[in-house]
Amino acid sequence: GDSVTQMEGPVTLSEEAFLTINCTYTATGYPSLFWYVQYPGEGLQLLLKATKADDKGSNKGFEATYRKETTSFHLEKGSVQVSDSAVYFCALSYYNTDKLIFGTGTRLQVFP
Amino acid sequence: DAMVIQNPRYQVTQFGKPVTLSCSQTLNHNVMYWYQQKSSQAPKLLFHYYDKDFNNEADTPDNFQSRRPNTSFCFLDIRSPGLGDAAMYLCATRDGPSGGVGTQYFGPGTRLTVL
Repeated sequence: GDSVTQMEGPVTLSEEAFLTINCTYTATGYPSLFWYVQYPGEGLQLLLKATKADDKGSNKGFEATYRKETTSFHLEKGSVQVSDSAVYFCALSYYNTDKLIFGTGTRLQVFP
Repeated sequence: DAMVIQNPRYQVTQFGKPVTLSCSQTLNHNVMYWYQQKSSQAPKLLFHYYDKDFNNEADTPDNFQSRRPNTSFCFLDIRSPGLGDAAMYLCATRDGPSGGVGTQYFGPGTRLTVL
């Protein structure tokens, strides 16, 4: 079945470091891909998305490119801030299922 | 601002005592979802409504029920909460046709504690 695999956390970085959180997916068709962020004690917020191969989603300095050849959607940011500390979820959605399939989440901790 | 609202943010109930969680939206979206999220885990879809059409996930226990009296409101009823039902419950909405891939908008969640 369809699934999303994320790198295990926590990812611990110093402020202004470069961030990569890996996400790969298994899908039988052509899903849309998403990154959601969950700050402590809050619900999920959409961070960015891409709906087809080679699309790049970007928001708040975060970027991810839909790579069909490697079935990946890695999240990157050039310079993280303490306020980026959160749990990041990669997800896919199929056109005909009405559902999001989430990865297990990756906790990011950024220290001053 | 248009948004998804969940009440209460924190709910404490006793083992076996029915509890209802509430979700409302001002987005006028036709799809509403309920997720269960246990500590350090991904959200797990319980069920969703497309308009008034109810779609239950195959592995959602019968203990969990839902009502959607109108477009704006959706309720999650837990008939006899067990200790294993302690979790964050997330409501989400989406606009668009059935099976579409539009963005889901999440509420802040209700954290349920079962004593």
